[in-house]
Amino acid sequence: KAGVTQTPRYLIKTRGQQVTLSCSPISGHRSVSWYQQTPGQGLQFLFEYFSETQRNKGNFPGRFSGRQFSNSRSEMNVSTLELGDSALYLCASSPGLISATNEKLFFGSGTQLSVL
Amino acid sequence: QQPVQSPQAVILREGEDAVINCSSSKALYSVHWYRQKHGEAPVFLMILLKGGEQKGHDKISASFNEKKQQSSLYLTASQLSYSGTYFCGTENSGGSNYKLTFGKGTLLTVNP
Repeated sequence: KAGVTQTPRYLIKTRGQQVTLSCSPISGHRSVSWYQQTPGQGLQFLFEYFSETQRNKGNFPGRFSGRQFSNSRSEMNVSTLELGDSALYLCASSPGLISATNEKLFFGSGTQLSVL
Repeated sequence: QQPVQSPQAVILREGEDAVINCSSSKALYSVHWYRQKHGEAPVFLMILLKGGEQKGHDKISASFNEKKQQSSLYLTASQLSYSGTYFCGTENSGGSNYKLTFGKGTLLTVNP
């Protein structure tokens, strides 16, 4: 079974631009969560999607948004990029809704975003 | 609400033991442990649910102390492959407000 796939692997953007990151979960997994990883803060939860609906959200500004498609693939969008948005963005998939099942997460290798 | 991990970093020689602690300021419902090697995705190690159970596989085990609101990860007879950053994720509600919150990580380096 293929693992969680994130594209692109690296991105360089400038302040004010917007960016879209993509995540394909493991086949059969219906939940996709997104995390921001920085050296100073570790892994911070952005949001979780299940059955095309956002089920849970972390403490990030509205510039961070996402969506999930009927095939469970998910995209994350960040608008009006700031220097502080530079980070590794990880997505993780799970068979069921995390809040209901408390299952383990399967992480992708992430997209490294650099904002100049 | 972010759990506090200690130590921040630890260096071992192959065969030595280590303990990584994860403390929460709120009551714990569950604790997840993950390991991330440099440039790779975090990989699941184990989940502990409230009830004080201890889990383990191979030479890595963990305990959950509900009263102290903390979990500890034990690595015995460390191997070179144990090197990486260990994250604990804590969940405090177990309900519809479920939110897995990770600590800042503990960097473990095992040298020959």
